[in-house]
Amino acid sequence: QQQVKQSPQSLIVQKGGIPIINCAYENTAFDYFPWYQQFPGKGPALLIAIRPDVSEKKEGRFTISFNKSAKQFSLHIMDSQPGDSATYFCAASRGYQKVTFGTGTKLQVIP
Amino acid sequence: DGGITQSPKYLFRKEGQNVTLSCEQNLNHDAMYWYRQDPGQGLRLIYYSQIVNDFQKGDIAEGYSVSREKKESFPLTVTSAQKNPTAFYLCASGTGSNEQFFGPGTRLTVL
Repeated sequence: QQQVKQSPQSLIVQKGGIPIINCAYENTAFDYFPWYQQFPGKGPALLIAIRPDVSEKKEGRFTISFNKSAKQFSLHIMDSQPGDSATYFCAASRGYQKVTFGTGTKLQVIP
Repeated sequence: DGGITQSPKYLFRKEGQNVTLSCEQNLNHDAMYWYRQDPGQGLRLIYYSQIVNDFQKGDIAEGYSVSREKKESFPLTVTSAQKNPTAFYLCASGTGSNEQFFGPGTRLTVL
């Protein structure tokens, strides 16, 4: 019940496209849903996060959509750029408990 | 600069050796974490500590050991009992809001 399922495993889009990465969770007690961005050979960095009391959050070109009833959340990247090419991880947690990560999506944005 | 440092960046281990990976943070975070990342896979939790002198096993603790004698430091020892230690090791620290800040990682290779 602690699992977070992430899809797709990899994604290729043209520059300017809108890649969408999806995650689903089972534990309804989760109350914090972050997305992390990781470049090769580097540690992940927090990109954007949402709590279940809102359905959408935007920060720059990055948007999280959250569907509490479906237990799903997704990351949208508007006007994607080659510099956005990275691996993206969704995650979920509750209170002070450990964070559960998805398996990651490798995004490639081609010029 | 505030942040998390990990050393060394690259580490080579011979069969049967124990090696220790360093993780230091100056963010004044109570919680610290160790993750293992294998190619094409997500982050798997090895150990975590929510307070000094206390730590808990994560999902893949076998063959690893940790200590938390100081708030700033959370070293990870990869013992000879870990049969497949070649991986990218990530340390993170966090706050009660669940946000985690990652270090740059240590790549361990068994010779």
